[in-house]
Amino acid sequence: KNQVEQSPQSLIILEGKNCTLQCNYTVSPFSNLRWYKQDTGRGPVSLTIMTFSENTKSNGRYTATLDADTKQSSLHITASQLSDSASYICVVSAKTGNQFYFGTGTSLTVIP
Amino acid sequence: DVKVTQSSRYLVKRTGEKVFLECVQDMDHENMFWYRQDPGLGLRLIYFSYDVKMKEKGDIPEGYSVSREKKERFSLILESASTNQTSMYLCAAISQRGSGYTFGSGTRLTVV
Repeated sequence: KNQVEQSPQSLIILEGKNCTLQCNYTVSPFSNLRWYKQDTGRGPVSLTIMTFSENTKSNGRYTATLDADTKQSSLHITASQLSDSASYICVVSAKTGNQFYFGTGTSLTVIP
Repeated sequence: DVKVTQSSRYLVKRTGEKVFLECVQDMDHENMFWYRQDPGLGLRLIYFSYDVKMKEKGDIPEGYSVSREKKERFSLILESASTNQTSMYLCAAISQRGSGYTFGSGTRLTVV
């Protein structure tokens, strides 16, 4: 069964600290993996997209990694800011039939 | 990037009312989707459409219908709103190449 699991479910960190969010998936055949940031009350916004051949991709203070062998991805946030407080959603797409599989998200709270 | 616009950020409706949620995209994408998002459940697919006048049921279509008379517009209809349809509703669009979703800003619907 194609599934996407994210951990932790929620996380509270101090401003300025780093954190890492995890995404494990069983989707096959794998096409790509996206990390989205969703501010409270708003729609998700894409942060990065990872294809099979990419191991690491950065977008400012966000760095995503992908291990296609173990089917794991992580999103690392460096020097967190209050504005990083949001839900982070991992979405994996399959090559067949335009299928997308969503994780339930990690809720990140950055406190001063 | 494609822009996806949802007509309302917040809506309050009474039980039994007919409710229309509108979604418009500006990049001529074939595929459009409606999701609802609830705490702890993540994003769940209600309906999707891969072309004008075409629609497919998602995972939770009960109590909803959709309309796609023009390529750029995908409407979600609650025939008779109920309190368990109180939720955040997200519209998304994607090109036929399927590189990833673009989401609207969401509509927070409260049924009282």
